[in-house]
Amino acid sequence: EAAVTQSPRNKVAVTGGKVTLSCNQTNNHNNMYWYRQDTGHGLRLIHYSYGAGSTEKGDIPDGYKASRPSQENFSLILELATPSQTSVYFCASGDADWGANYAEQFFGPGTRLTVL
Amino acid sequence: GDSVTQTEGQVTVSESKSLIINCTYSATSIGYPNLFWYVRYPGEGLQLLLKVITAGQKGSSRGFEATYNKEATSFHLQKASVQESDSAVYYCALRGPFLSGSFNKLTFGAGTRLAVCP
Repeated sequence: EAAVTQSPRNKVAVTGGKVTLSCNQTNNHNNMYWYRQDTGHGLRLIHYSYGAGSTEKGDIPDGYKASRPSQENFSLILELATPSQTSVYFCASGDADWGANYAEQFFGPGTRLTVL
Repeated sequence: GDSVTQTEGQVTVSESKSLIINCTYSATSIGYPNLFWYVRYPGEGLQLLLKVITAGQKGSSRGFEATYNKEATSFHLQKASVQESDSAVYYCALRGPFLSGSFNKLTFGAGTRLAVCP
């Protein structure tokens, strides 16, 4: 079964500071995703990647950058953190999905970020 | 854009009683979306519970089932007899039909927290 880990699990940052959230997957999946979840909302897609060196904008990319230096690692970077970015962040990975069958996404346990 | 609505933020059920968690959706692409239920147990990531790719069909897993009702645009999750170990957060999700603009991403509902009381 795919293993997706995230670090840190909890983070407190100051407004204007730089924050990096890291994600590692050990199942050699091509695709990786970053979501955030706020109370009362579903998970929303921030950035995703089809493989090492690629990053794509999701639905809410403003204020975030992403980096995919290798097949295993996918980082989410907040260059200038703001209180509105306080949220729970989930990373996921999955196989490339070229057909009508669904390639399941495997999720990490989440990172709780608080920006003061 | 696409949207998924789960009307209950929290549901409390006694052990061995039946459960229904409501999910309705709105999809903008031509054709029928794929529908999913994910579950998140405490301290863990989301995991796929069940999926239905074809409109009108039923999916089932671990005693849970959901029927893809394209007329009502609903995908309610049901279980006949819940256990305390079913306590978790349940997320309904969709993605657009094959080759549509929203095929490569999931749209999630806000989640429903299920508490099963002994």
